[in-house]
Amino acid sequence: SQTIHQWPATLVQPVGSPLSLECTVEGTSNPNLYWYRQAAGRGLQLLFYSVGIGQISSEVPQNLSASRPQDRQFILSSKKLLLSDSGFYLCAWSEALDRRRSQPQHFGDGTRLSIL
Amino acid sequence: EDKVVQSPLSLVVHEGDTVTLNCSYEVTNFRSLLWYKQEKKAPTFLFMLTSSGIEKKSGRLSSILDKKELSSILNITATQTGDSAIYLCAVVGFQKLVFGTGTRLLVSP
Repeated sequence: SQTIHQWPATLVQPVGSPLSLECTVEGTSNPNLYWYRQAAGRGLQLLFYSVGIGQISSEVPQNLSASRPQDRQFILSSKKLLLSDSGFYLCAWSEALDRRRSQPQHFGDGTRLSIL
Repeated sequence: EDKVVQSPLSLVVHEGDTVTLNCSYEVTNFRSLLWYKQEKKAPTFLFMLTSSGIEKKSGRLSSILDKKELSSILNITATQTGDSAIYLCAVVGFQKLVFGTGTRLLVSP
């Protein structure tokens, strides 16, 4: 069965410091991968998605970036964190989509990021 | 711009009550609608609806899609305290999910 791992679970970082959050998926190949942010009282906001190695689509312009160095690895990074980057970050995967069918996304346990 | 709106924003009921959560959407290239339950961490998948009028059921939970009205409802019968959570509705466009802000349900004993 497929599993998704995301770490760390919580992180406290000072403003201006770098960030690296990692997500890996097991039990499937060539998944679609996603990074979301959930701010308090708001819905999930899609930040990045990837349909393959090295293929990243950005949904929201910001100081975050994403990379997919391996098929089942997705990394969220920042060179300099802002206070507004605080939030709950969720990684998700789905089977590769085609034009005929949708596939549900399955989420990791999330990283709660606090910027001080 | 794609949009998903859920109502009510929050709800408090007593154990044993039946609740109905609503989701309406405006999405180009609609493909399907999904419901998730979020307790403390990861949202967990409940249902995926693609066809209008066909009810999906899992235990005390059921959901149905109305493509004409661009909406869906999630019903929970005989609620239990373990049903307390945020229920998220999401609509699939091409390759992307658009989420609503969720309905926070609290079931009191």
